[in-house]
Amino acid sequence: DTGVSQNPRHKITKRGQNVTFRCDPISEHNRLYWYRQTLGQGPEFLTYFQNEAQLEKSRLLSDRFSAERPKGSFSTLEIQRTEQGDSAMYLCASRRPENTEAFFGQGTRLTVV
Amino acid sequence: RKEVEQDPGPFNVPEGATVAFNCTYSNSASQSFFWYRQDCRKEPKLLMSVYSSGNEDGRFTAQLNRASQYISLLIRDSKLSDSATYLCVVSASGGSYIPTFGRGTSLIVHP
Repeated sequence: DTGVSQNPRHKITKRGQNVTFRCDPISEHNRLYWYRQTLGQGPEFLTYFQNEAQLEKSRLLSDRFSAERPKGSFSTLEIQRTEQGDSAMYLCASRRPENTEAFFGQGTRLTVV
Repeated sequence: RKEVEQDPGPFNVPEGATVAFNCTYSNSASQSFFWYRQDCRKEPKLLMSVYSSGNEDGRFTAQLNRASQYISLLIRDSKLSDSATYLCVVSASGGSYIPTFGRGTSLIVHP
């Protein structure tokens, strides 16, 4: 399967701990997006990479959030000092350079207790 | 005002019914439009792209009205398996092309 892969699928953490999620996009896709989705809402944009460059960040991305894509392939999203409000599904998507659709990974469901 | 607005529903329809969803967008520079389907606790998956001339894929028809800034999705002969959330996705022109999602419209098809 050469789709977008996200790990872990589920993460339960205590408030105040740091967590890191990984996304492996489809190999020829140079654009990579992170989204957050809570119940009853659509995915909300967090940040965007073109190759290794982080080109846009949403105002939703507080200082506790950081994302990297060091070699323009996989990406990581880290949340420091997690809060209960961070509980959500974190989705990664990738797409080719042309204006085509984005393909999503299965997401990482984060629960902060 | 949100960039992409959808009626969250739920739309509760019997099998065989025809149902239509609308989605409005605020950015007149928007260039690309899609409908995604999302099943409960799953990732969104592309249902269909929306072209200026409108397009049809089996029981599904999508249309774009640039003047009024809305897109629509029509589902004919609804099946139980059509029950899902339908997400409207819009992106503006330019390098970043960030897909912006509506909150989704929930469809429940019952026997």
